[in-house]
Amino acid sequence: DTEVTQTPKHLVMGMTNKKSLKCEQHMGHRAMYWYKQKAKKPPELMFVYSYEKLSINESVPSRFSPECPNSSLLNLHLHALQPEDSALYLCASSLPGGDTQYFGPGTRLTVL
Amino acid sequence: DQQVKQNSPSLSVQEGRISILNCDYTNSMFDYFLWYKKYPAEGPTFLISISSIKDKNEDGRFTVFLNKSAKHLSLHIVPSQPGDSAVYFCAASPGVGGGSEKLVFGKGTKLTVNP
Repeated sequence: DTEVTQTPKHLVMGMTNKKSLKCEQHMGHRAMYWYKQKAKKPPELMFVYSYEKLSINESVPSRFSPECPNSSLLNLHLHALQPEDSALYLCASSLPGGDTQYFGPGTRLTVL
Repeated sequence: DQQVKQNSPSLSVQEGRISILNCDYTNSMFDYFLWYKKYPAEGPTFLISISSIKDKNEDGRFTVFLNKSAKHLSLHIVPSQPGDSAVYFCAASPGVGGGSEKLVFGKGTKLTVNP
């Protein structure tokens, strides 16, 4: 089973809203990732968690706040986003240390 | 500085023929290479990978070739099917144990397989 699930599938939010994206995997992977993907562009890494600790933050604005409550779950808390933050947000997981990353279906986020 | 390059933004082939997607890289530390397939509004799906100790890896209709000296890899799909129509991303990393969980992606090649 190589499934990573993400909820919600679609999200529309205003610039003053607070919302969260959720990601779950049950493959026993101890590395989890958040990516942002704009249309016709490759995925762009945002954060990496390894063994539930934040190991990489690619200089992402603080209006994006990741959280890894346990080894199977990854959240991305959103607050005061801008319209240019509208994108497909992808979660991925892998064995730690660099290995094949398996992606979820993504959350399509629209910021009005 | 683009470390992984997919120079063909699009490719069109006939059903049943071979599709060849190319990828070049510049960083000699890259040691592990992957191909992902992506449909619109979905997450990338892992297709096939290859590590630098091999020059070929095959999985069904998909074969990846690696030429380390040329820093070039290619994905062959034989025979191509209309369901293969998607964007294909090449990705590279310093590999397992290389200490980096960062995948570097190319910009993608849109494959269209015509019936």
